[in-house]
Parts: sequence; C-alpha cells; structure tokens
Amino acid sequence: QKEVEQNSGPLSVPEGAIASLNCTYSDRVSQSFFWYRQYSGKSPELIMSIYSNGDKEDGRFTAQLNKASQYVSLLIRDSQPSDSATYLCAVSSSASKIIFGSGTRLSIRP
Amino acid sequence: DTAVSQTPKYLVTQMGNDKSIKCEQNLGHDTMYWYKQDSKKFLKIMFSYNNKELIINETVPNRFSPKSPDKAHLNLHINSLELGDSAVYFCASSPGLAGFYEQYFGPGTRLTVT
Repeated sequence: QKEVEQNSGPLSVPEGAIASLNCTYSDRVSQSFFWYRQYSGKSPELIMSIYSNGDKEDGRFTAQLNKASQYVSLLIRDSQPSDSATYLCAVSSSASKIIFGSGTRLSIRP
Repeated sequence: DTAVSQTPKYLVTQMGNDKSIKCEQNLGHDTMYWYKQDSKKFLKIMFSYNNKELIINETVPNRFSPKSPDKAHLNLHINSLELGDSAVYFCASSPGLAGFYEQYFGPGTRLTVT
C-alpha cells in the first residue's frame, strides 16, 4: 500500500471553475500536511501547509484536512490557465521526514 | 537573491564515471535534503542533514555519498554512475525538521547517464 496516494490525472477543469485535488495517506499519526505545485521542468514550490482538522484558506486556495478519514484535499477557486501544473501532496511520516505522493496533473482549459 | 541554488543544472556523463552536485542555501535554514525525482515524477527522499548531522539515510546505494561542510551547503557525490541513476536531483532546505516545516527546493540537476 502506498503511503501517500493521489490520482495521477490528468484532471481537466474549465477556466473559472473549482479544481478539487485529493490525497489519502496511510499513517494515522501524521501531523503535518503540505501541498506543492510543480510546473513542468521546474522545482516544487509550496502552496499550503495544514496541521489541524478543518479548512485553511489562502487566496484562491483552500486546504482541507480530515485526520479521521486520513485525507487531505486542495481546492482551487476561479481556476486560471496558470494553475495548470502537477500538484504534489506531502505528509509527515516522522519528525524529520515527509513522504510525497506521485502527484496529480491538473490542466485548466480556456 | 535568497534561495536554494544547485550546480550544475544539467549533467551528462557516461556509465562508470564519478560526479558531484553542489547545493547552497542562503535562507539561514538548519536542515537540508537531497531528493531524487524519476521519470514518473515520483519525488523520493535520499538524505537529510540537520545542523551538519546526517539524520536521514534512505535505502540508497552506497555509491551515493552526501557531505555537508556547513549548514548552508550540502553536496552529493556519486561513484560509478549507472544508467538507473538518470533522474532529476533536487536539493531542498527547511528552517527545521521536515515533519514540521515547509521545504524550499533548488532548481534541480538533470543527470543523464549514457
């Protein structure tokens, strides 16, 4: 069983719509959760971090965490073509290590 | 500019050669990492140093040897390169341990072994 699972996509969303990206994890004691965005040929960059159950909003981005169900999601409102990228979910597996999912490729169609 | 930098950006070499990748961060972070991203885009931790001390050493062949001369630098030396070593190698840093802090990635080094 993979430790951090994401649907590889591609997820195609029309411009202006809400993109919903999901991630499940296997380690119940995980405490920290991160979403990174990676454009093709570039390095990952942090979008959001979330540490407690519920929603966390930052501009057009909302991260949602449900520890009981072991899932974390990222919503992107008013999707723009510039949001087209691979989104990586990362989950802490210990104090010193995080595990990345394989990423979901998001495509925003004009 | 404050950032994580890596050199070289591209590295093309033949099987059996030895090569090094250098990483520097000027963010004042305590922890640095090496990740390998394969052709399927899976990003996997290789090594992590905290204040120059090795704290993560994943199941990586011992042909790979990291070295941290100080908190701001983490280099990766690879001996006897193999075809399967071809990948993008990312250096990253964080203010503290990865389980609690976000990481900042360098631009990556694309290694091609022929």
